[in-house]
Amino acid sequence: GQSLEQPSEVTAVEGAIVQINCTYQTSGFYGLSWYQQHDGGAPTFLSYNALDGLEETGRFSSFLSRSDSYGYLLLQELQMKDSASYFCALNSGNTPLVFGKGTRLSVIA
Amino acid sequence: DTAVSQTPKYLVTQMGNDKSIKCEQNLGHDTMYWYKQDSKKFLKIMFSYNNKELIINETVPNRFSPKSPDKAHLNLHINSLELGDSAVYFCASSQEGAASGPGELFFGEGSRLTVL
Repeated sequence: GQSLEQPSEVTAVEGAIVQINCTYQTSGFYGLSWYQQHDGGAPTFLSYNALDGLEETGRFSSFLSRSDSYGYLLLQELQMKDSASYFCALNSGNTPLVFGKGTRLSVIA
Repeated sequence: DTAVSQTPKYLVTQMGNDKSIKCEQNLGHDTMYWYKQDSKKFLKIMFSYNNKELIINETVPNRFSPKSPDKAHLNLHINSLELGDSAVYFCASSQEGAASGPGELFFGEGSRLTVL
């Protein structure tokens, strides 16, 4: 089966940088995705890593190390609106995405 | 235009009742899903359909029955509702079954079901 582990909560200061880690276990691997979900909203896609290394999209970056079964989401120049839950999700091929339990990010002034 | 839309957004009902949630996507995607998000925000796959055919049926009670009249629609019918069915149900779609694509799912806004 597949499983993902990520911290349940993270708190960071506005303007700072925060990293949300995700480790996974799977027998097959296509890629690791990240989703953002605000309270009462739908999950929305942020980024995807299929290969090792860093993918940058504006203030958000995502990193993958396939040999370590590890990835992280990096959020820079934090804004209050970044307060949300962040999910890593595993694409292991032939099955729907399997989501981690989410990390609730609180950005404080 | 809403890419993935589901109705109703809120549903409050009594135990034992039967209810349906409808989902439509206008993205031209081949694959649609139902996910359940519980009170702890855990997103769990329930069903996956590809071109109207059931691909994945996770360990979901058979009180839950999905129906896909065409590849743009995936409805969820729930019989004999139980308290534990209270959750937010998300419909989603993707191209190429997300198995070989970029892993991007497009979610509807969710249907919050409360069973009393």
